[in-house]
Amino acid sequence: GAGVSQTPSNKVTEKGKYVELRCDPISGHTALYWYRQSLGQGPEFLIYFQGTGAADDSGLPNDRFFAVRPEGSVSTLKIQRTERGDSAVYLCASSLGDLPADTGELFFGEGSRLTVL
Amino acid sequence: AQSVTQLDSHVSVSEGTPVLLRCNYSSSYSPSLFWYVQHPNKGLQLLLKYTSAATLVKGINGFEAEFKKSETSFHLTKPSAHMSDAAEYFCVVSLRAADKLIFGTGTRLQVFP
Repeated sequence: GAGVSQTPSNKVTEKGKYVELRCDPISGHTALYWYRQSLGQGPEFLIYFQGTGAADDSGLPNDRFFAVRPEGSVSTLKIQRTERGDSAVYLCASSLGDLPADTGELFFGEGSRLTVL
Repeated sequence: AQSVTQLDSHVSVSEGTPVLLRCNYSSSYSPSLFWYVQHPNKGLQLLLKYTSAATLVKGINGFEAEFKKSETSFHLTKPSAHMSDAAEYFCVVSLRAADKLIFGTGTRLQVFP
């Protein structure tokens, strides 16, 4: 498709389980972002990739969270030993260019809703 | 550090009346400011952006915003609301040449017939 694609759209898991969330950015977009949106809040930055490398992972809340983008396209957000507080919508966005935040041209997917029971 | 404060969590208007969604920002340096909209079950979409050019910025769907440095504000307006404008609106700030956007907590706009 033409937009950012995220799978699964919904994921229900049990506390302590491992979860992977996938993001397929717009073709040709070099920058990729992960954000987390909790109920009633605005999206919070998690990590930013420029190509294959994580240029800024300062938003990852702890070492249970990890993200990869091995070929500079698809990215996977990985959450180990999930906790109830991890329940949120995880948003992926992509952008063309080196400084996407300066242009504001981020294209967001519809998100993956994670529920940890 | 940069931040934005959206002064209203909910705004309700009648169709055809003006819309005002308020946003104040805090930034040590010259910021870039944006408004994004999130319709139910849809991805966030850029409405408009301010990046140091004209202080009055026009966006999609008839929305506009004015950057006022003296008031540290970037309020979003529209002269006449439409039912399709009902959505969540986020004010967003970033430093120039920064690698992340900082979102406000959002304002839910309801439009009544």
